[in-house]
Amino acid sequence: QQQVRQSPQSLTVWEGETAILNCSYEDSTFNYFPWYQQFPGEGPALLISIRSVSDKKEDGRFTIFFNKREKKLSLHITDSQPGDSATYFCAAEPGTGGYKVVFGSGTRLLVSP
Amino acid sequence: EAAVTQSPRNKVTVTGGNVTLSCRQTNSHNYMYWYRQDTGHGLRLIHYSYGAGNLQIGDVPDGYKATRTTQEDFFLLLELASPSQTSLYFCASSDAGGRQDTQYFGPGTRLLVL
Repeated sequence: QQQVRQSPQSLTVWEGETAILNCSYEDSTFNYFPWYQQFPGEGPALLISIRSVSDKKEDGRFTIFFNKREKKLSLHITDSQPGDSATYFCAAEPGTGGYKVVFGSGTRLLVSP
Repeated sequence: EAAVTQSPRNKVTVTGGNVTLSCRQTNSHNYMYWYRQDTGHGLRLIHYSYGAGNLQIGDVPDGYKATRTTQEDFFLLLELASPSQTSLYFCASSDAGGRQDTQYFGPGTRLLVL
């Protein structure tokens, strides 16, 4: 049973468009949500993260929108560039109990020039 | 920036074979992790450690052993490899292993079990 779900599995956008990647979770104790970016042949790397006390986090062209009531969040990539083509993982960390980060299954993004 | 290296980068073995995957981090991080990445499942935690000699069980530990010999080195052992263990394996490290911590990943080891 996946505690963190991502959609779509894959997404293609044109250069300059806004890509929207979705994530939802089940465990209400999750209170920290990092997004990792992974290029082919490399390990994931932290891209941007948000705490559950916030509803929005922006870093350049990357913005996380967070809806705690619905247990949903989304990553918006504005002015998408071919160099943004990668797999994006949404992850969640509980606020209590033992340390364990739960990763979603990822969204593969392709930005076409 | 944290540096995590893994070896080998690719490995082919046969069913029942013995495999050791190595990971080294050079940023004096306390926590180290082993994940496997499979299509449709994302990253799943196998084992992790918060220091030399320590081992904690992750979410998918069956068929895997791990050992943390030093603060820098973390090994994943498959003593009787099975085709179901064909996967992409990542090692990661983090400073405190606590709340809201960044994990730094290695480049991965691709394992094929025939």
